Amino acid sequence: SQKIEQNSEALNIQEGKTATLTCNYTNYSPAYLQWYRQDPGRGPVFLLLIRENEKEKRKERLKVTFDTTLKQSLFHVTASQPADSATYLCALANSGNTPLVFGKGTRLSVIA
Amino acid sequence: DTAVSQTPKYLVTQMGNDKSIKCEQNLGHDTMYWYKQDSKKFLKIMFSYNNKELIINETVPNRFSPKSPDKAHLNLHINSLELGDSAVYFCASSPGGGALDTQYFGPGTRLTVL
Repeated sequence: SQKIEQNSEALNIQEGKTATLTCNYTNYSPAYLQWYRQDPGRGPVFLLLIRENEKEKRKERLKVTFDTTLKQSLFHVTASQPADSATYLCALANSGNTPLVFGKGTRLSVIA
Repeated sequence: DTAVSQTPKYLVTQMGNDKSIKCEQNLGHDTMYWYKQDSKKFLKIMFSYNNKELIINETVPNRFSPKSPDKAHLNLHINSLELGDSAVYFCASSPGGGALDTQYFGPGTRLTVL
């Protein structure tokens, strides 16, 4: 069966360190993978999109990698700040015309 | 300037009732969606509409009926509410309907069925 797994439900990290969140998938051949941020009581907000032929994407302190061999995407938050505390969701789609399927998310807490 | 808005934000109702949630987007997008996020935080697509036409219906009970009067609005009507319908419902929109498109989410409607 198809599965998207985000490795941990919660991740605590000290301010200033790099947080690494994992998104693994099974029985998908995603052409695209997106990462979203969700704050409590709010809707998800788009952060980054990476295509299957891209190894890495960056946006400010965020970096996403996509390894189709390992069937995994890593999401890094460098120089983390308490304001980075949120739930981060990965979402993927097999093609441009198929709907996004979301993982359950990882709740990141950055401790000052 | 709210991009995707939903009303109401909270909805508490009894089992068996019928209720509606409204969604509007002012982004000029062609595609709108309804998602359900349950207590385990899984965000699952229910429907998508492209230019008022139903594109995706993901095995949702037919008690749920979406209606799109125009491409800026997508409402969700739920008949005969059940306890298991309790969840947060998110509306979203995107420029097109593809997975390359960024989705813009509304603030959510927390539905509690007693």
